[in-house]
Amino acid sequence: AQSVTQLGSHVSVSEGALVLLRCNYSSSVPPYLFWYVQYPNQGLQLLLKYTTGATLVKGINGFEAEFKKSETSFHLTKPSAHMSDAAEYFCAVSERGNQGGKLIFGQGTELSVKP
Amino acid sequence: DTGVSQDPRHKITKRGQNVTFRCDPISEHNRLYWYRQTLGQGPEFLTYFQNEAQLEKSRLLSDRFSAERPKGSFSTLEIQRTEQGDSAMYLCASSLAGVAYEQYFGPGTRLTVT
Repeated sequence: AQSVTQLGSHVSVSEGALVLLRCNYSSSVPPYLFWYVQYPNQGLQLLLKYTTGATLVKGINGFEAEFKKSETSFHLTKPSAHMSDAAEYFCAVSERGNQGGKLIFGQGTELSVKP
Repeated sequence: DTGVSQDPRHKITKRGQNVTFRCDPISEHNRLYWYRQTLGQGPEFLTYFQNEAQLEKSRLLSDRFSAERPKGSFSTLEIQRTEQGDSAMYLCASSLAGVAYEQYFGPGTRLTVT
């Protein structure tokens, strides 16, 4: 069965520093890939997604992610962290050929940003 | 349209009671999903509808759980004979049909079973 692994349940960076959140998936067939953000007491919001084409995907709020098939990875980065980036981040996949489109999520990474 | 809405936002119930949650999707979305999220974990898929048809249910969904989407618009999720292990955030999402369309999430209903 498809699975998603996010390395590090908690990441702490200083304001202005690089943000790197790691995500690996298990499927031999590359799935569709997503990053969602969840602020306290709110629903999830899509940051970006990869379906096909260019492997470097740009999303909202200055985030981007690169799909690397050889590494089965889809790591999320942001060059310069802002205090407002503090939130929970979830990597998710949706299997190609699964017409239902259900999402399989990683366990999440909580990002803290220090002033 | 203000997005996906869920009601109630919070529900506290005693073990053994039945509870029902409602989800109103974005109006033009024909797909509706239910997920469950426990503390410190990512959301887990429960079930989804395309229009009024329930097309997939997770093995996580015990017989005590039932979901409906009678007119292809809003959906309800009922839990019968609640157990403490049912305590979680129940998230609803909606999307257009297709595997790569964005799922828009509601704010969730937090259930606490005492």
